[in-house]
Amino acid sequence: AQSVTQLGSHVSVSEGALVLLRCNYSSSVPPYLFWYVQYPNQGLQLLLKYTSAATLVKGINGFEAEFKKSETSFHLTKPSAHMSDAAEYFCAVMVYGQNFVFGPGTRLSVLP
Amino acid sequence: DVKVTQSSRYLVKRTGEKVFLECVQDMDHENMFWYRQDPGLGLRLIYFSYDVKMKEKGDIPEGYSVSREKKERFSLILESASTNQTSMYLCASSGQRPQHFGDGTRLSIL
Repeated sequence: AQSVTQLGSHVSVSEGALVLLRCNYSSSVPPYLFWYVQYPNQGLQLLLKYTSAATLVKGINGFEAEFKKSETSFHLTKPSAHMSDAAEYFCAVMVYGQNFVFGPGTRLSVLP
Repeated sequence: DVKVTQSSRYLVKRTGEKVFLECVQDMDHENMFWYRQDPGLGLRLIYFSYDVKMKEKGDIPEGYSVSREKKERFSLILESASTNQTSMYLCASSGQRPQHFGDGTRLSIL
């Protein structure tokens, strides 16, 4: 069965600094990978997805993620944090024919 | 744009009540899901459905049931609400992939 770990339940960065949110997965077969963002009192919104095409995936709001098979990782990055990026971020893995498995989430705080 | 609508944003019920949470999607998706979200635990799958009148248990189905009489609507039922069911409930739908989420229902059981 697949699983997802997100290192760091809470990450703080300064406005304008690099954002790096870590996601590692385990799966016995090639997975599909996703990042979602959740703003306070809202549902989850898809940021980006990896579906076995390009390993570097660009998403909305300037975020991108790189699939590294050798490291079983799918870390989320953004070159310059903005105050509006403060939210909770979830990594998810899906194997064809099975359900999504979500990580525990990382809360991103952006300091002025 | 995909729209998943949950009937209530906030709901307060009493212990022992039967509670209905409704979810409607407008994209003719086959798959619909109910999750609960709790701090530190992420999202946990309660039930899902791959077709009308079809349901499958997720990871934490105890104390819950579901109904899918029409393709666009997926209802979560708390048969006899308990305080440990106080949580944020999220509905999602999908065609192939990925999942699209509603805004959630924050349910408090007193």
